[in-house]
Amino acid sequence: GAVVSQHPSWVICKSGTSVKIECRSLDFQATTMFWYRQFPKQSLMLMATSNEGSKATYEQGVEKDKFLINHASLTLSTLTVTSAHPEDSSFYICSARPHRGAASYEQYFGPGTRLTVT
Amino acid sequence: GENVEQHPSTLSVQEGDSAVIKCTYSDSASNYFPWYKQELGKRPQLIIDIRSNVGEKKDQRIAVTLNKTAKHFSLHITETHPEDSAVYFCAARSESGAGSYQLTFGKGTKLSVIP
Repeated sequence: GAVVSQHPSWVICKSGTSVKIECRSLDFQATTMFWYRQFPKQSLMLMATSNEGSKATYEQGVEKDKFLINHASLTLSTLTVTSAHPEDSSFYICSARPHRGAASYEQYFGPGTRLTVT
Repeated sequence: GENVEQHPSTLSVQEGDSAVIKCTYSDSASNYFPWYKQELGKRPQLIIDIRSNVGEKKDQRIAVTLNKTAKHFSLHITETHPEDSAVYFCAARSESGAGSYQLTFGKGTKLSVIP
């Protein structure tokens, strides 16, 4: 149980194009999903918290117009990197927290998406 | 906001020896402390967690201790195997300004178990 998938697993795009990454909870409902960015040999940096049916909450320094997040259902959140530039190249990982009321603590991670912008 | 410090950044142990990784946190209101194992190019996997109402938790070769007064928690791996080699992240759950909860991660510890 508690499986999270991400698609695509890797993508190469040209500078100036947009890329959409999907995050799905396969066997549970997740009212909250999180998007992280991870540079090589570094820790996970939270980009935004996505709540189903409401606007995402972005961390300081993350451009909401560049990293569009949509959480339209209890099992799907999407991250769109708009007008991608080489400096956006990174490993993007989502996580989902099972909806078990106020007692829900655990987060389960997707396999990540390797984005390379040329 | 929450700040999590993790030490050491790298750790090498002989197979069969124990490994200990330590973390400190700053927000006394944090109430949940998970540990994740991440192999190269893969997703972080939750290996053990502890809540603030418990001082110690054990699962086979892995244990976590929590000292709320000192605001630090530790991961203990006994009888290490080469397969334990990975990067380990600690995290602390705190309330964000928007009223929801989020995890703040330490910088990670690269554990190498030498056969």
